[in-house]
Amino acid sequence: AQSVTQLDSHVSVSEGTPVLLRCNYSSSYSPSLFWYVQHPNKGLQLLLKYTSAATLVKGINGFEAEFKKSETSFHLTKPSAHMSDAAEYFCVVTPDTNAGKSTFGDGTTLTVKP
Amino acid sequence: DTGVSQNPRHKITKRGQNVTFRCDPISEHNRLYWYRQTLGQGPEFLTYFQNEAQLEKSRLLSDRFSAERPKGSFSTLEIQRTEQGDSAMYLCASSLEGQTDTQYFGPGTRLTVL
Repeated sequence: AQSVTQLDSHVSVSEGTPVLLRCNYSSSYSPSLFWYVQHPNKGLQLLLKYTSAATLVKGINGFEAEFKKSETSFHLTKPSAHMSDAAEYFCVVTPDTNAGKSTFGDGTTLTVKP
Repeated sequence: DTGVSQNPRHKITKRGQNVTFRCDPISEHNRLYWYRQTLGQGPEFLTYFQNEAQLEKSRLLSDRFSAERPKGSFSTLEIQRTEQGDSAMYLCASSLEGQTDTQYFGPGTRLTVL
């Protein structure tokens, strides 16, 4: 069994300040973990993925995430928010032993204030 | 554009009617997935195919839902006797076996059942 909990349904930051979107997971297997972004009326876009290599993963648009097995967390960060970062963000877990059923979190809406 | 495509993008139907959606994956991808996303929620897994074989189905996929991928390329998702609760965005994704199941999503088909 696997599950994903995104700890904040909404996060609001000012432009130029750091972003932190929190994600905890549970999985019976060694998981692969992903962050996707969804802009209004657009498809889901892959930001980054963790696949049991380096625990600090760098993605597109300056985002990165750190896999912490002891804390079962995979939080998404960005040093400086940009207005274009405003979107819905989803944390996703897939069991590494059986690529197939991915479980999505409920999403975090990021608002960036000017 | 060689991304995942879905047709139609929007479908409005009356309760009780049947609808069919199509997904064309990235051409070399042998895995194909269907998800359903309702407002304010993350996508929920419905089913997935490896080549033409349907390997897993969610309990969300009632008897009114059927998915096919007859030649291991495009896939169709049919909903029979639609209900208002079927109104949602239906997402398709594809991946290449061996790439840690990085799924690439299409733009979705938005279904509205009146």
